[in-house]
Amino acid sequence: NAGVMQNPRHLVRRRGQEARLRCSPMKGHSHVYWYRQLPEEGLKFMVYLQKENIIDESGMPKERFSAEFPKEGPSILRIQQVVRGDSAAYFCASSPGRREAFFGQGTRLTVV
Amino acid sequence: GIQVEQSPPDLILQEGANSTLRCNFSDSVNNLQWFHQNPWGQLINLFYIPSGTKQNGRLSATTVATERYSLLYISSSQTTDSGVYFCAVEAGADSWGKLQFGAGTQVVVTP
Repeated sequence: NAGVMQNPRHLVRRRGQEARLRCSPMKGHSHVYWYRQLPEEGLKFMVYLQKENIIDESGMPKERFSAEFPKEGPSILRIQQVVRGDSAAYFCASSPGRREAFFGQGTRLTVV
Repeated sequence: GIQVEQSPPDLILQEGANSTLRCNFSDSVNNLQWFHQNPWGQLINLFYIPSGTKQNGRLSATTVATERYSLLYISSSQTTDSGVYFCAVEAGADSWGKLQFGAGTQVVVTP
């Protein structure tokens, strides 16, 4: 049973470009979560999704960030018009329900 | 929101030593997990332990939910145990799916 798969592992974007981060949950998991790890702030919750629904997006910045988990395919975290402050590690996690969450290896985003 | 405090912030161990990491939380929890972030940045699940005691090899954990703390024990430490250990909790009816992480304990195991 493969773990949570995130791609790409590393992503470099110039300021103003768009970043798309992908996450395929573990087989049988219908709950997906995104977290961000900033150097001085630790790991912070961003958004919680189930298939085709956003359950809790209280940790998402109000502008430029969006997330989706379509009926088919991976979950996508999209950051529009990236700025240097978006440079961070973005982790996706999945769970089969309200239970233990398993994390992917993360995507390291660098904005230059 | 719930507060999660980990101690100590840093720990240097000689290979073979034992250690205890602590996680205090300020409210009752639905979920508590321990993670190890290795030097390559990967987050590895160690324990899902909202209450009770579990053991996995040289690692064990205990959560005393009524007293709002959890302990992670590392025995006979190895250099591969180096990294940051995080405690994360999920608390409250409106916090399902939202893990609140502590600041972590940075562990360095020297040969």
